[in-house]
Amino acid sequence: GAVVSQHPSRVICKSGTSVKIECRSLDFQATTMFWYRQFPKQSLMLMATSNEGSKATYEQGVEKDKFLINHASLTLSTLTVTSAHPEDSSFYICSASSRGQGGGYTFGSGTRLTVV
Amino acid sequence: AQSVTQLDSQVPVFEEAPVELRCNYSSSVSVYLFWYVQYPNQGLQLLLKYLSGSTLVKGINGFEAEFNKSQTSFHLRKPSVHISDTAEYFCAVSPLGMEGGKLIFGQGTELSVKP
Repeated sequence: GAVVSQHPSRVICKSGTSVKIECRSLDFQATTMFWYRQFPKQSLMLMATSNEGSKATYEQGVEKDKFLINHASLTLSTLTVTSAHPEDSSFYICSASSRGQGGGYTFGSGTRLTVV
Repeated sequence: AQSVTQLDSQVPVFEEAPVELRCNYSSSVSVYLFWYVQYPNQGLQLLLKYLSGSTLVKGINGFEAEFNKSQTSFHLRKPSVHISDTAEYFCAVSPLGMEGGKLIFGQGTELSVKP
């Protein structure tokens, strides 16, 4: 079945540094990629939607200059958290969708970001 | 706009007992419906989905769900749970479905299966 590989699974960074999270669709072309943030014991909050080759569409309240999303190819999307602060610590999950996928969404395994 | 309400935040149940996780949605347009399971520190795994056709949908791991349009519900059921079913369960809707529209999630239900 469709697989989305998300890396790293865990990352600890110092406050003020930037962190890049990658999501790769391994056996299909991800025309659309969604990035979510999840706080402990809470649901997934959609941060942004990106289509290959286009600028990402951010949800209300999400800082586009802080959370940089790149979707330069049909198999790779990245989320860069710039100038990270402790309040950015969270679980980040990507999800890929494709017209040729037969319906539905494939999720990455998530990245646990801890900013110290 | 769409919204999803999962009526129970936590459901404790004994092993081999039946379970129902409730989900109601609100939408002004037709939607596709999904149930996902999330194990600790992992991504989401699709249990089942309703796109069209029969309102009773069977998924993986012995789960099934029934779409009720008049009650705008999509409750998830399993006749006999196992310890390994302990996880967080999310109901979700999409107004565009396969076309790649964004998913709207419920708040999640924590299923805890006790021996």
